[in-house]
Amino acid sequence: GDSVTQMEGPVTLSEEAFLTINCTYTATGYPSLFWYVQYPGEGLQLLLKATKADDKGSNKGFEATYRKETTSFHLEKGSVQVSDSAVYFCALYNFNKFYFGSGTKLNVKP
Amino acid sequence: GAVVSQHPSWVICKSGTSVKIECRSLDFQATTMFWYRQFPKQSLMLMATSNEGSKATYEQGVEKDKFLINHASLTLSTLTVTSAHPEDSSFYICSAYLYTGELFFGEGSRLTVL
Repeated sequence: GDSVTQMEGPVTLSEEAFLTINCTYTATGYPSLFWYVQYPGEGLQLLLKATKADDKGSNKGFEATYRKETTSFHLEKGSVQVSDSAVYFCALYNFNKFYFGSGTKLNVKP
Repeated sequence: GAVVSQHPSWVICKSGTSVKIECRSLDFQATTMFWYRQFPKQSLMLMATSNEGSKATYEQGVEKDKFLINHASLTLSTLTVTSAHPEDSSFYICSAYLYTGELFFGEGSRLTVL
């Protein structure tokens, strides 16, 4: 079945460091791909999405490119801030279902 | 953006009792809602897909008689944990799918079974 695999955390970075959180997927057909973020004490919210191969989703300085050839959707940000500390979930939507990765906790230190 | 409200946000019950969790889409109609269980190491497990007016579709390994899902209207889906036991203690999250392709999440409900 469809699934999402993302790198385990926690990831600890200093402010202004470069961030990469890896995400790969297994799916039949043509899924849409998402990154969701969960800030401390809050529910999940959409960060960015891409609906077809080679699309790049971007928001709040984060970006991810839908790579069908490598079945990946890695999340990147050039310069993280303390306020980016949260749990990040990679997800795919296919045939009316959403599947989530296990989440990666990001800690950004001043 | 669209709002999904979940209630209660926190519930404690005795072993053997049943608990109902409500999920409402406040400003849009949701023909499809999803129920997830979030485990301590943060992973989200899809439990079932709730479709308005029809039976829910359960994922493999999820007991449909244990986790009753009812999607009675376009704005309300309920999850009832029947005869709850301590191993059912978890964080349950609902989400509703909007036609724009976005998924909106409720705040989650933490269930503790004593």
